[in-house]
Amino acid sequence: EMQLVESGGGLVQPGGSLSLSCAGSGFTFSNYAMTWVRQAPGRGLEWVSSVSGNGGSKYYADSVKGRFTISRDNSNNTLFLQMHGLRAEDTAVYYCAKDRGGDDPPGDCWGQGSLVTVSS
Amino acid sequence: DIQMTQSPSSLSASVGDRVTITCQASQDIRNFLNWYQQKPGKAPHLLICDASNLKTGVPSRFSGSGSGTDFTFTISSLQPEDIATYFCQQYDTLPYTFGQGTQLEIK
Repeated sequence: EMQLVESGGGLVQPGGSLSLSCAGSGFTFSNYAMTWVRQAPGRGLEWVSSVSGNGGSKYYADSVKGRFTISRDNSNNTLFLQMHGLRAEDTAVYYCAKDRGGDDPPGDCWGQGSLVTVSS
Repeated sequence: DIQMTQSPSSLSASVGDRVTITCQASQDIRNFLNWYQQKPGKAPHLLICDASNLKTGVPSRFSGSGSGTDFTFTISSLQPEDIATYFCQQYDTLPYTFGQGTQLEIK
């Protein structure tokens, strides 16, 4: 069974930093791009960042470009999101999600979500 | 970025009703469209990919159609467990943008 388990998150002051991790199992992790999506309280879904299967290509939403860094460790089947310069508007539940690979569409496996709260 | 316009934003219907949600893309996305169901406090759950391909294990009362810019999601006979928010997502071009969501309630 495919599974993604997130860790990290928490309360951080504006301007602070935080890291999220996402451990994958039940699928060949390196064969798939991976994505972070966030959801502010009571709001819709916002794509944040994606990384290709080999980690060579990375993409960011304009709202986080220059502040967030996506990376992956395929030897440990883990996805990361490093967040710096956090702002109140970054407060959200952050989900990792399995992205495209072969004939598989994106989004057929999601993590449980990690709450990031940016507040003084 | 491709804009996804989803409507309605909320919908109230009775058990057994046929429910339809639409999603319009700002440019041609071929059939690269997902439909998700999200219940409170949970991650989104993929119901339909490639605009009309029902994922394994998803009840057959759910269906999707469309291609290009106009897409439709249908629940043929609403059940109490279908109460949730539904989102469309295009995956033709990064960033893979989402519709605003449709909150479905029981009348």
